[in-house]
Amino acid sequence: DAKTTQPTSMDCAEGRAANLPCNHSTISGNEYVYWYRQIHSQGPQYIIHGLKNNETNEMASLIITEDRKSSTLILPHATLRDTAVYYCIVDSGSARQLTFGSGTQLTVLP
Amino acid sequence: GAVVSQHPSWVICKSGTSVKIECRSLDFQATTMFWYRQFPKQSLMLMATSNEGSKATYEQGVEKDKFLINHASLTLSTLTVTSAHPEDSSFYICSALKRTTNEKLFFGSGTQLSVL
Repeated sequence: DAKTTQPTSMDCAEGRAANLPCNHSTISGNEYVYWYRQIHSQGPQYIIHGLKNNETNEMASLIITEDRKSSTLILPHATLRDTAVYYCIVDSGSARQLTFGSGTQLTVLP
Repeated sequence: GAVVSQHPSWVICKSGTSVKIECRSLDFQATTMFWYRQFPKQSLMLMATSNEGSKATYEQGVEKDKFLINHASLTLSTLTVTSAHPEDSSFYICSALKRTTNEKLFFGSGTQLSVL
């Protein structure tokens, strides 16, 4: 599976959009980009995933560059409850064995 | 989304005892489940893959005789930490694979194990 690179930490003001970047320059053509988050002392929560096209659901939007070497997770209106570690993972789509990197600690500030 | 229930949420045990953790997929059948371990301020590390009706596949460095995995039904996998020691204290998380058009992993809420 391709490796990902994410900033260690980010801050965001409550109510503003949180944009979390992820680099995955060695991604293969059949690999999806998955985003999960983990709130302290809880199991990871699925957020969104995509292959080529941008995706949006009730939680977030996922913007994938045309060359697929990077992506951005967007939380449109961050709340304090969005404070968590966000993991960007690339996987072949079977999602069988996700490999978690170090993720980005997002802190939403009041 | 799909629900994966993990019990107990936390457990404290004496050194040398065994602890069983259950992972259930409540609204879907999961032929494959995974067990992770997470130490403080670290990421999740895969311990083993649990397949219904067959033996689990362990990651390198994980002792299969110490971490017993049973996946006897399509909705239940158990992890038993045998003869627990303080160094086994960790946050254990299970996940279940839901087969849809795109397979997705859903995670349990985790079990904090403290071995005294």
